[in-house]
Amino acid sequence: GAGVSQSPRYKVAKRGQDVALRCDPISGHVSLFWYQQALGQGPEFLTYFQNEAQLDKSGLPSDRFFAERPEGSVSTLKIQRTQQEDSAVYLCASKTGGYSYNEQFFGPGTRLTVL
Amino acid sequence: TQLLKQSPQFLSIQEGENLTVYCNSSSVFSSLQWYRQEPGEGPVLLVTVVTGGEVKKLKRLTFQFGDARKDSSLHITAAQPGDTGLYLCAGEGPSWGKLQFGAGTQVVVTP
Repeated sequence: GAGVSQSPRYKVAKRGQDVALRCDPISGHVSLFWYQQALGQGPEFLTYFQNEAQLDKSGLPSDRFFAERPEGSVSTLKIQRTQQEDSAVYLCASKTGGYSYNEQFFGPGTRLTVL
Repeated sequence: TQLLKQSPQFLSIQEGENLTVYCNSSSVFSSLQWYRQEPGEGPVLLVTVVTGGEVKKLKRLTFQFGDARKDSSLHITAAQPGDTGLYLCAGEGPSWGKLQFGAGTQVVVTP
């Protein structure tokens, strides 16, 4: 199917390592969101792209988190010097337009475990 | 910090019973959405409610949006094991539609 895909699905990192998580949105979708979902919690917003422009990064928890979408399609979330509190599922979502009321389609997530 | 409060956190019922999940907020959102999430998957949208007082039905699921657009409920009639999952409500912000989620209600329906 042509849904949102994420890779890797699982990532184990030692504390202090850098990680890169990839999101392939649905083709043609303008908007792309990253969310972080801790165990037993709902997803929390991290950042938003409209095409290649990062319009909102207010949810990024620290300057160790960096996201990019250089060509307006694939996006990468990078976490530098990982800490144990970064352990979570990272969800990517995309939607057609840049406004409210359009449905966001979520990928399966990447489960990050920091040891 | 979850601005949307969901209750209960966990619900375990027998097949055929009814259940209601609540979502309450101190903020007003452009719309309120309900999702279901299964293990190892991302949330899947069930419904979007926009107008205060709105009621939407999706087969055995009934969604209500409060008059003040701050609270919502999801009612499932004659629950089936396939209804098992994490039910999430989310408020949608203005402009590009950033979602703020509640912590979720884990529903387990046993045969």
